[in-house]
Amino acid sequence: QVRLHESGPGRVKSSQTLSLTCTVSGGSINSDGFYWSWIRQSPGQGLEWIGDIIYNGIVNYDPSLRSRVTISLDSSKNQFLLNLNSVTAADTATYYCARANWQFADAFDVWGQGTKVTVSS
Amino acid sequence: SSELTQDPAVSVALGHSVRITCQGDSLRGHYANWSQQKPGQAPILVLHSKNRRPSGIPDRFSGSSSGDTASLTITRAQAEDEADYYCYSRDNSGDHVIFGGGTKLTVL
Repeated sequence: QVRLHESGPGRVKSSQTLSLTCTVSGGSINSDGFYWSWIRQSPGQGLEWIGDIIYNGIVNYDPSLRSRVTISLDSSKNQFLLNLNSVTAADTATYYCARANWQFADAFDVWGQGTKVTVSS
Repeated sequence: SSELTQDPAVSVALGHSVRITCQGDSLRGHYANWSQQKPGQAPILVLHSKNRRPSGIPDRFSGSSSGDTASLTITRAQAEDEADYYCYSRDNSGDHVIFGGGTKLTVL
């Protein structure tokens, strides 16, 4: 059973870089057939897709965040990472990592529990 | 269009049926998927590939689609079905994911 777990600082100062890690257990991040994804949810708001990466490192980003986002793989640790630079209060959110399954029409079939990040001035 | 539109809120009487809809151009070429989110919890997948339920999801959850609109139907709604429901799909390019704004379901 695949599990995902987010980790990283709960507070980031405005204009700095938010860095989060998603650790994958019970399966390999090098497996074909999945998008490893980051999704966020601002307080009281809906879900917002940030971007994803596949086993060979190909990435996709939401156009509105593309200039500030980097998603990468660390295969040695079975992790994928999110970097979001130049953060503002608008980036305060709960950040989820999730697996999108190609066999399920790219549905997010596994989610982390989420990590709350607050951007402070 | 790169948007998916959902009604913000829907209510249903306990034991009755309810349909939650999701409309957007991307649904003409991509299946809608649906997640359920309860307060303070991460979302879970309830339907994928238009009408397929993951293991553990009750069969009172079903899906359908026509043209640019997908629907999630809950028959015999239970109190534990009260939650936010989000539809999503790949956009027309296939490179990005778009979420609907979510529908808050209240079971009366």
